[in-house]
Amino acid sequence: DSGVTQTPKHLITATGQRVTLRCSPRSGDLSVYWYQQSLDQGLQFLIQYYNGEERAKGNILERFSAQQFPDLHSELNLSSLELGDSALYFCASSPRQQNTGELFFGEGSRLTVL
Amino acid sequence: DQQVKQNSPSLSVQEGRISILNCDYTNSMFDYFLWYKKYPAEGPTFLISISSIKDKNEDGRFTVFLNKSAKHLSLHIVPSQPGDSAVYFCAASRRQGAQKLVFGQGTRLTINP
Repeated sequence: DSGVTQTPKHLITATGQRVTLRCSPRSGDLSVYWYQQSLDQGLQFLIQYYNGEERAKGNILERFSAQQFPDLHSELNLSSLELGDSALYFCASSPRQQNTGELFFGEGSRLTVL
Repeated sequence: DQQVKQNSPSLSVQEGRISILNCDYTNSMFDYFLWYKKYPAEGPTFLISISSIKDKNEDGRFTVFLNKSAKHLSLHIVPSQPGDSAVYFCAASRRQGAQKLVFGQGTRLTINP
């Protein structure tokens, strides 16, 4: 158990819909990262937040947005969903804004868009 | 542009033998490299890392080798055990600037009894 909690674990929805994925970081961790893993692909970095502020952005689509709340949990919002958005979405946390890259990952949220 | 590549999608090794997983990278700005291990239905977990100032780092049965001139790193597991069966991801980052890991596609390692 990494200490990072993601909900929901599984989500099935239709094209055009909007979903919200939630992440609670490890106790005391200020940084939250979101990654997307599509079928047979590596993890693609989406976005990082540190203590409520956006710190780094990857190849995140404009249809996707995220935020980190004062209690440090984070939400990833995916809208106007397309079939290609079906993937595993991982949240990870770390104690600091910049670190050696050792992240603690949650179990992921599997999104299926039909 | 795949900056970190794991060209072997899968690898099968007999229990007790050495497992060697390979990873290549293209971005010479990367200065920190990590291996993560992932079991089904779980998130990746950190395994071992190496800084670009070193060429080898060892932790028990796991050793990572870095060849900067070839932009290549490898993970050696010896002896391999059935519990090592998992997907292994290579990742790279830059210590300066934006802290984001760039992952390879992963290699599925199967240890056969």
